[in-house]
Amino acid sequence: DTAVSQTPKYLVTQMGNDKSIKCEQNLGHDTMYWYKQDSKKFLKIMFSYNNKELIINETVPNRFSPKSPDKAHLNLHINSLELGDSAVYFCASSPDFLAGELFFGEGSRLTVL
Amino acid sequence: GENVEQHPSTLSVQEGDSAVIKCTYSDSASNYFPWYKQELGKRPQLIIDIRSNVGEKKDQRIAVTLNKTAKHFSLHITETQPEDSAVYFCAARTNTGNQFYFGTGTSLTVIP
Repeated sequence: DTAVSQTPKYLVTQMGNDKSIKCEQNLGHDTMYWYKQDSKKFLKIMFSYNNKELIINETVPNRFSPKSPDKAHLNLHINSLELGDSAVYFCASSPDFLAGELFFGEGSRLTVL
Repeated sequence: GENVEQHPSTLSVQEGDSAVIKCTYSDSASNYFPWYKQELGKRPQLIIDIRSNVGEKKDQRIAVTLNKTAKHFSLHITETQPEDSAVYFCAARTNTGNQFYFGTGTSLTVIP
């Protein structure tokens, strides 16, 4: 069973389009995250939710909007896609906000043409 | 906020040799230091971690050391094998939770 699953794994789209990436975890964790990994492999936090509440919102353009319908799901919607949005987006979860390791999903590779 | 620096950015070793990757952190409130291995095209996966009340931890060929005074921690891989080739990330998390701060990664190549 996949612990943290995200869909789609690959996404190729044109500039200006809107797209979503979905994430689900079956670990019973309270905290979920979105990370962006650019071409240089840097892992940068974007958002963190704890029990459906937004905890961390790094300096991310407001074209990016996370949504957590319940604590097992954290989706990422991106409006008006730009070339610089091309990256691998990783969803992750941890048992709670103060403890436990980070479990990553498989990643979603977004390519904006 | 926390700042984690990682060196070197690339490392090549002969199979069987040891590899050492070093990280420094800035926030003395950080108390949890995991190391992640990311193989090409795959997700980062935890390989070892250490908490601030411990100075060293070992798991088979992998060990991590922590110097709280100097605010640095290191990953040691002994008897390297080609399957150890990957990008390795260190990270730090403060005792207020917040977030995991990642280093910039080290691309390790083990030459057969």
